[in-house]
Amino acid sequence: GNSVTQMEGPVTLSEEAFLTINCTYTATGYPSLFWYVQYPGEGLQLLLKATKADDKGSNKGFEATYRKETTSFHLEKGSVQVSDSAVYFCALISSGSARQLTFGSGTQLTVLP
Amino acid sequence: GAGVSQSPSNKVTEKGKDVELRCDPISGHTALYWYRQSLGQGLEFLIYFQGNSAPDKSGLPSDRFSAERTGGSVSTLTIQRTQQEDSAVYLCASSLGWGLNTGELFFGEGSRLTVL
Repeated sequence: GNSVTQMEGPVTLSEEAFLTINCTYTATGYPSLFWYVQYPGEGLQLLLKATKADDKGSNKGFEATYRKETTSFHLEKGSVQVSDSAVYFCALISSGSARQLTFGSGTQLTVLP
Repeated sequence: GAGVSQSPSNKVTEKGKDVELRCDPISGHTALYWYRQSLGQGLEFLIYFQGNSAPDKSGLPSDRFSAERTGGSVSTLTIQRTQQEDSAVYLCASSLGWGLNTGELFFGEGSRLTVL
């Protein structure tokens, strides 16, 4: 079956620090990969996605590259801001018939001024 | 509506009582999904609807859980004889259509259920 493993939190960084949140996956077929973000008091929202190997998803300064050889989709940002404090979820959807998102356990990020 | 709306936002109930959680998806979205988010765990898929049909109910944790959707719009998740382990945030999401599901789901803010 499909599964997503992501770096356990919580992660605490100072403003302008470099961020990496690791994510690896197991899936049948050729999955599409996603990062969702949940800001305090809000619903989850899509941050970025990549649909095939070597694709790079990017949004709001965040990037993640679909690495088929390492089955990874690590989230990175060069300089975090306080407003990036949130819970980040890695997810995948399989190319097979079970087309529901499978999520990782989430990583809490806190950015201090 | 403009976004996915869930109610109640918070529910505290006593063990053994029944609860109903409601989800109003984005207008025009034919696919609707229920997830459960427990403390320290990821999002657990419960069930999805395409229109009013739920082709796969295998994600429901037990037979105390049921869900329905009427008119291709509003969905209700019902938990009977609640147990303390049912305490969680129940998230609803919608998308344009199951067959068109590119993975971009639109989530509500969730219903936090606490079973005492």
